[in-house]
Amino acid sequence: NAGVTQTPKFRVLKTGQSMTLLCAQDMNHEYMYWYRQDPGMGLRLIHYSVGEGTTAKGEVPDGYNVSRLKKQNFLLGLESAAPSQTSVYFCASSFFTGNTEAFFGQGTRLTVV
Amino acid sequence: DQQVKQNSPSLSVQEGRISILNCDYTNSMFDYFLWYKKYPAEGPTFLISISSIKDKNEDGRFTVFLNKSAKHLSLHIVPSQPGDSAVYFCAASMNYGGSQGNLIFGKGTKLSVKP
Repeated sequence: NAGVTQTPKFRVLKTGQSMTLLCAQDMNHEYMYWYRQDPGMGLRLIHYSVGEGTTAKGEVPDGYNVSRLKKQNFLLGLESAAPSQTSVYFCASSFFTGNTEAFFGQGTRLTVV
Repeated sequence: DQQVKQNSPSLSVQEGRISILNCDYTNSMFDYFLWYKKYPAEGPTFLISISSIKDKNEDGRFTVFLNKSAKHLSLHIVPSQPGDSAVYFCAASMNYGGSQGNLIFGKGTKLSVKP
């Protein structure tokens, strides 16, 4: 049972480049989330999805887009990367929303130079 | 404005002693609270949770206490072990009245348990 898997684990981008982070879960969870973690800032919600075909904005959505075409996958896109998007990105999934535990992936460390 | 606050960035404890990690929140509408543990280069893992209708929840060496009047919760680890050394995140959510129930995280407290 893989749980939540993020691809890639590390990436270096140049300013202005685009990329997509992939999150896959094999637990049949309805809810999926993308967070970013910055030093001294904790985890902040970027976008989330309450089911296949749905997406919604979180706390810090600017500069990111997401898609949930399949229930098991949640994609996070950066159309034009900026140094401010240098961060560690975590994907998570859960059966229900905030009153159940969320399972996290191992993280993607992204550096934008 | 931070809704979930962990005011101690770090805590150092001797092995075998009690570790107490604190968390304060400002939104009285939160009705569910969780603690996550995070090791370096790994994702956070769920540790323990508590509903706002309770004031204590225990799971082995881990106990979470909730004081709603003070808007304060704490995580007690007894006895502390070197393997407990990690960053601990407090999180809170609202799960009624149309609220999405998304988790709001604190900034984390780095616990070091010394042998």
